[in-house]
Amino acid sequence: QSVLTQPPSASGTPGQGVTISCSGSSSNIGSDYVYWYRQLPGTAPKLLIYRNNERPSGVPDRFSGSKSGTSASLAISGLRSEDEADYYCAAWDDSLSGVIFGGGTKLAVL
Amino acid sequence: EVQLVESGGGLVKPGGSLRLSCVASGFTFSKTWMGWVRQAPGKGLEWVGHIKSQTDGGTADYAAPVKGRFTISRDDSTNTVSLQMSTLKTEDTAVYYCSTVANRNSWSWGQGTLVTVSS
Repeated sequence: QSVLTQPPSASGTPGQGVTISCSGSSSNIGSDYVYWYRQLPGTAPKLLIYRNNERPSGVPDRFSGSKSGTSASLAISGLRSEDEADYYCAAWDDSLSGVIFGGGTKLAVL
Repeated sequence: EVQLVESGGGLVKPGGSLRLSCVASGFTFSKTWMGWVRQAPGKGLEWVGHIKSQTDGGTADYAAPVKGRFTISRDDSTNTVSLQMSTLKTEDTAVYYCSTVANRNSWSWGQGTLVTVSS
């Protein structure tokens, strides 16, 4: 069972927007940065968002992150079929002294 | 361009050992923390551990399920980070990804190498 809680699935239609939530606690999200990763089928994860809301170079501004208290969110606007993937949040946990991941959210673009 | 190439995966019996390697290029390896993350078949991501740069002490931290069984090491002369796994269990079966680490989180990832622990 993951320490960070994500919805197992989400969906949207092309052009729409979708938000994926990530809920944690004071020992992880509440005290450190949140990172988001995207994993396309059969490939390695890729960093989408770092330090809560920063995008690495090459990540389009359709992807945005936010954090409030012990929760975080990933918002994707202008959905495309290629956005179908698994999305994971992650944060350092002070109690566990390690990185923890959410269970992942499978995004379907209908 | 950052490149991370893992190798060493394969089939091993429970209780056995295996060593994974990850050769890095495209960045200053000696100044970069490196880490390992695994993914069991059909499951989510699980942090395995990371090793700090030598300037930051060169020590490693591990997830509880692997502590005492896995050892992460680095060779800055060959830009290689290794994961020595011993006393392997069936639940260690996973794709193992090597990654660069910044602010204790994974940044760039390798393509992964599959480790199967089965009798």
